[in-house]
Amino acid sequence: KNQVEQSPQSLIILEGKNCTLQCNYTVSPFSNLRWYKQDTGRGPVSLTIMTFSENTKSNGRYTATLDADTKQSSLHITASQLSDSASYICVVSETGNTGKLIFGQGTTLQVKP
Amino acid sequence: GAGVSQTPSNKVTEKGKYVELRCDPISGHTALYWYRQSLGQGPEFLIYFQGTGAADDSGLPNDRFFAVRPEGSVSTLKIQRTERGDSAVYLCASSLGRTRVNNEQFFGPGTRLTVL
Repeated sequence: KNQVEQSPQSLIILEGKNCTLQCNYTVSPFSNLRWYKQDTGRGPVSLTIMTFSENTKSNGRYTATLDADTKQSSLHITASQLSDSASYICVVSETGNTGKLIFGQGTTLQVKP
Repeated sequence: GAGVSQTPSNKVTEKGKYVELRCDPISGHTALYWYRQSLGQGPEFLIYFQGTGAADDSGLPNDRFFAVRPEGSVSTLKIQRTERGDSAVYLCASSLGRTRVNNEQFFGPGTRLTVL
C-alpha cells in the first residue's frame, strides 16, 4: 500500500490560472514533508520542505500547506506559467535513524496557453 | 561540479547483460542515494550511502543489484543479468550532512535504462 497518495493524477489548466494539488499520507511519525517538481527527463527539484510543526511554506508562486493532524498537504500554484508544466511529487521523510523518503506517484500538470 | 551528474544518460541493453550506472555527487556531500523511477510513478528508494558504506540497502530488489562507493564520492550501481522489468530511470541524489533527516537531497538527471 502506497503510504503517500496524490491527487489528481493529472491536471490541465490554462496559463494564468491557479491550481491546488493534494497529498495524503499515512507515514507516521514523520520528520518532514517535501514537494518536488520534476520536469520531463530531469531529476526532481525541491520546492518546499516543511517539518511537522509548520503549517505553510512559500516559494515564489508555490505555497505548500500541511495539516499534520489529518495527514494532508497541498501545493497551491498561483498565476500558472507554461514552465510550470511538470510532475509534482509529494515526499514524506520517515523520522528516526532512517530518514527514508517515501515518494508519492506524482501529479502531472499541464499548463496550456 | 555544480550539481549531481549521472552517466550515461541513456543505456540500452539486452536481456541477460550486465550494466553499470555511474553517479557523481555534489562535491563535499557525504550522503548518496539511488532511486528507481518507473514510468508514471514516483521514485522508489534503492540504497543509501553514508561515506563509503551502505547505511541502508533495504530497497535493492534482489541480489542482481549491487552498488559501491569505494572512495566516498562517485558511486556505481551495478545490475547483473538484466531483465526487461529492470527498465526504468535510475536516479541518484546526494545530500550534505551525516543523517538523512531534514537534509535536502539534490537529484541528478537520471539514467534511462532500457532492457530489450
